[in-house]
Formats: sequence, C-alpha cells, structure tokens
Amino acid sequence: KQEVTQIPAALSVPEGENLVLNCSFTDSAIYNLQWFRQDPGKGLTSLLLIQSSQREQTSGRLNASLDKSSGRSTLYIAASQPGDSATYLCAVSGDYKLSFGAGTTVTVRA
Amino acid sequence: SQTIHQWPATLVQPVGSPLSLECTVEGTSNPNLYWYRQAAGRGLQLLFYSVGIGQISSEVPQNLSASRPQDRQFILSSKKLLLSDSGFYLCAWSVGSIDYEQYFGPGTRLTVT
Repeated sequence: KQEVTQIPAALSVPEGENLVLNCSFTDSAIYNLQWFRQDPGKGLTSLLLIQSSQREQTSGRLNASLDKSSGRSTLYIAASQPGDSATYLCAVSGDYKLSFGAGTTVTVRA
Repeated sequence: SQTIHQWPATLVQPVGSPLSLECTVEGTSNPNLYWYRQAAGRGLQLLFYSVGIGQISSEVPQNLSASRPQDRQFILSSKKLLLSDSGFYLCAWSVGSIDYEQYFGPGTRLTVT
C-alpha cells in the first residue's frame, strides 16, 4: 500500500522568503506525481504534474522536483506572497488511483 | 474548456437519513470520474472511481454507493447516513489513462448530526 508523507505539517514564513515543501512516498512504482493547492473550504487546484520519467517541472514561481528512486518530491515556491497561504497537497498516481499526503499548511506573513 | 460542478455546496443531514450528491462534468467526453472524502484532520481518501457508464469501482467498504447514469454524471448515495460520514466530498475527473492528471470540483461539505 502506498504511503505518502508531507513534512512539515505547517509552515509560517515572512513575505519574500522561499518556501520548500517536502513529500515522500513508499512505493516508487508511480506513474506521476501531482502537487495541489487547497484554500480553506475549497476544492483542489492542480499546480504541477510531474511524469515518472521527468526530474522536475516548473510553472512561474513554482518548481517541483521528483526523485522516484528515493521516493521524494520537493515543491519550491520562490519569493512567497501572502496569497500563497494555503494547504499544499502532494499525490502520487499508481494502481489506478491517487494516494494523497495529509498536506502542508503554509502561512505567509505580510 | 472543461468545468466540473458539484451540488449541493453544503448539506446538514440527520443520522439515518438518505444522501445524494451529484457531480457533472462539462466540455469533455468519456471522462474517468472519482469521488473522494476529506475528513477533518485527515488526507483525501478515494471512495469510488468510474471509467465508463455503469462501471463503478469501490475502494473502501462502507455504507456509501456510487452510480454513473450518464457519461458525465456521477452520483454518491447513501440509504442511511452515519455520524462518521461527515466530511468534505470532492468529485474529480481525468481523461485518457486513469493515472493521468486529475481535476477537482468545488466540493460538498456534509455534516451529519
């Protein structure tokens, strides 16, 4: 059974600081890894998808890396802004389903 | 462009009452459809997925059921709600391989009292 862990569970940083969010998974036989953002009481917004054959994916201030062999992914958010405050979830795809981590709740202080 | 709708947005139901949550997708054909539940303080749990009309796979044994009467419609039901059914229910869709990128709806907040 795939287990996905996200550390830390919560993070508070001042505006402008870079954010580093970690995700680890136990079974390296994955098809892809997705990072999502969830605002309180809302659905999930897909941020980045990394195929299993890729090492990283970038979108604007977001960069996600994937090391499938070690079961790790990292989401970097450059120059954080108060609008980046949200819960960030990673999910790995395999065996016809997504397995989610519990998320990292980020607060960016103005 | 593709859009996913869920309703109702919020629901408060007494224990033992029935449940019906609906999800529809616009702008795509033959989507894979999914129901997830997010309980307080816990991660998302896949409940059901469907790769076509009438085809439902259950991930977790429980008192919930799902149906797909039309290509782009997915319904989550229960005959008798339990307190433990409270949570945030999310519908999602993908196209192509079931392992492809998933897109989520706005969710339904269910409180069972």
